[in-house]
Amino acid sequence: AQKITQTQPGMFVQEKEAVTLDCTYDTSDPSYGLFWYKQPSSGEMIFLIYQGSYDQQNATEGRYSLNFQKARKSANLVISASQLGDSAMYFCAMREPTNAGKSTFGDGTTLTVKP
Amino acid sequence: GAGVSQSPSNKVTEKGKDVELRCDPISGHTALYWYRQSLGQGLEFLIYFQGNSAPDKSGLPSDRFSAERTGGSVSTLTIQRTQQEDSAVYLCASSSQAGEDTGELFFGEGSRLTVL
Repeated sequence: AQKITQTQPGMFVQEKEAVTLDCTYDTSDPSYGLFWYKQPSSGEMIFLIYQGSYDQQNATEGRYSLNFQKARKSANLVISASQLGDSAMYFCAMREPTNAGKSTFGDGTTLTVKP
Repeated sequence: GAGVSQSPSNKVTEKGKDVELRCDPISGHTALYWYRQSLGQGLEFLIYFQGNSAPDKSGLPSDRFSAERTGGSVSTLTIQRTQQEDSAVYLCASSSQAGEDTGELFFGEGSRLTVL
């Protein structure tokens, strides 16, 4: 079974609008971490935001926030006030202690911000 | 530098040749990971090191692939008798948190391998 599922291969958003990138996950670990990474066309992977499974509040980092719905095993990334520089591929990932802390990645969502 | 360093950044080789890809993680990071990314695709896990040991080699595609890590630092990924399907970007990442659920990965810029 796929551990991380990103159902949107591609998304478009108008500049200055908000966009939500979907991510669902599958684990039986009570403790796990969820991450989002950004990969621009230049290729480097950039860490954006982290949510721990026991965190009560949704994580936020500037224009990024994580809509964490534990019961639904959902960890959607919300980008507010999109900018042209947000155009990139976005990956959702999970770390599980019982999986040696290995990070498992989804297939990614390509976001294009339109001017 | 302070980041994860990978070399070579680009490698073109002929089918059947061996290649070595090197990763120098952030100093003090105990966990080191190798991933493979084909064009426009997600990240495929290859191998994970905790210190010098590799508790998880489950992602290595075949016995042509091997990796080692020495001194708890530099790691080398070796691909023997390369095939065209080995063409991809090989990403190395390190983390200060080994075996846990916290701690983001710090990635290198990758080694782009092209097998002709």
